[in-house]
Amino acid sequence: GAGVSQSPSNKVTEKGKDVELRCDPISGHTALYWYRQSLGQGLEFLIYFQGNSAPDKSGLPSDRFSAERTGGSVSTLTIQRTQQEDSAVYLCASSLAPYQPQHFGDGTRLSIL
Amino acid sequence: QKEVEQDPGPLSVPEGAIVSLNCTYSNSAFQYFMWYRQYSRKGPELLMYTYSSGNKEDGRFTAQVDKSSKYISLFIRDSQPSDSATYLCAWLEAAGNKLTFGGGTRVLVKP
Repeated sequence: GAGVSQSPSNKVTEKGKDVELRCDPISGHTALYWYRQSLGQGLEFLIYFQGNSAPDKSGLPSDRFSAERTGGSVSTLTIQRTQQEDSAVYLCASSLAPYQPQHFGDGTRLSIL
Repeated sequence: QKEVEQDPGPLSVPEGAIVSLNCTYSNSAFQYFMWYRQYSRKGPELLMYTYSSGNKEDGRFTAQVDKSSKYISLFIRDSQPSDSATYLCAWLEAAGNKLTFGGGTRVLVKP
């Protein structure tokens, strides 16, 4: 497909475990973003990658959250020692360049037991 | 005051009616304006993108931006049951790349 691809689509894990979420952006898109969507907080920015520049991590809620983008393409969001408040839908988006429209994947629905 | 205000709805209309959605914002740094549609258990889908005051039309959709009043609108003409979804307004600052979203308005178009 030509859109943003995220895996897994659903993840259930126990509190305290680590999880990895994957995002495959649209081919040729240089910018990649992670957002979180929860009932109480709506859609919130987490982190932004652009080319080889240092990522904008200003939205990460704690040091348990980290992300990397390898080879300017695929990105992985890692949450260590998960807590129940981490339960949410994690959405990835990509854009052709900065300030261009962002296109979203269908997200990973994360549930912490 | 919240940065963005959007009525959560639900907004229920009969098929064929015009759907009118609004958002207000307080941050003068917002320069790019978007509307997204989100179906249940799906990611947001971009409907409209604009950076200037005035109207922009795309098929049955019209986006209206009033920067002086910090107010944006989306109109959906000849609404269909398939338009039933949550509609999110979003902004991008000129100096940044993170989207700021409204809370979304749930729209129900009844056959």
